[in-house]
Amino acid sequence: GAVVSQHPSWVICKSGTSVKIECRSLDFQATTMFWYRQFPKQSLMLMATSNEGSKATYEQGVEKDKFLINHASLTLSTLTVTSAHPEDSSFYICSAEYAAGPAPVGNQPQHFGDGTRLSIL
Amino acid sequence: GENVEQHPSTLSVQEGDSAVIKCTYSDSASNYFPWYKQELGKGPQLIIDIRSNVGEKKDQRIAVTLNKTAKHFSLHITETQPEDSAVYFCAASLNTGFQKLVFGTGTRLLVSP
Repeated sequence: GAVVSQHPSWVICKSGTSVKIECRSLDFQATTMFWYRQFPKQSLMLMATSNEGSKATYEQGVEKDKFLINHASLTLSTLTVTSAHPEDSSFYICSAEYAAGPAPVGNQPQHFGDGTRLSIL
Repeated sequence: GENVEQHPSTLSVQEGDSAVIKCTYSDSASNYFPWYKQELGKGPQLIIDIRSNVGEKKDQRIAVTLNKTAKHFSLHITETQPEDSAVYFCAASLNTGFQKLVFGTGTRLLVSP
């Protein structure tokens, strides 16, 4: 079963709205989570690295005031797209890096969520 | 920083044929190379990975080879099946305390019955 839960799976909202996306690691602790953006028929581009209890590290070209990241617990990171506009429409994917707790099946460094499709009208 | 190139962008094969996808990376310090399968509307799923101290790894119909000198690695799928149809991504990572993955551009694989 899924080891990383992402919610919501899709959202449609009006331009100017702020949208929050949650990423939860199920049954394991993740001190580090990653947020990616994927445009249609393109690759995953890392937006930011989220570390529990500290400020996120953003990749070059990603506006930190536009994409707010909060990693308040060892199992939850949130991405808030503030004042979203149509050009922010994309598929947002998170991943969690296993740190502690019952090891998820697969022994892989990162476990990906199923993504959130964001459409801004 | 790391740059990963992937070829081909699309690949069509007949069921039962083999499929090969190739990637090259730029940072010789990269030491972890996973391959992901992504189905429509889903997140990527790890199918196989290899670390820099190994040249080849196999898991049933899937194998990965790594040439550190040439800085390239390949995914081999034998006896392809229609359910193998998906987009495949390679990635490279330098373990600097956490795994920061750089993804290739993706290969759309279509397996025809």
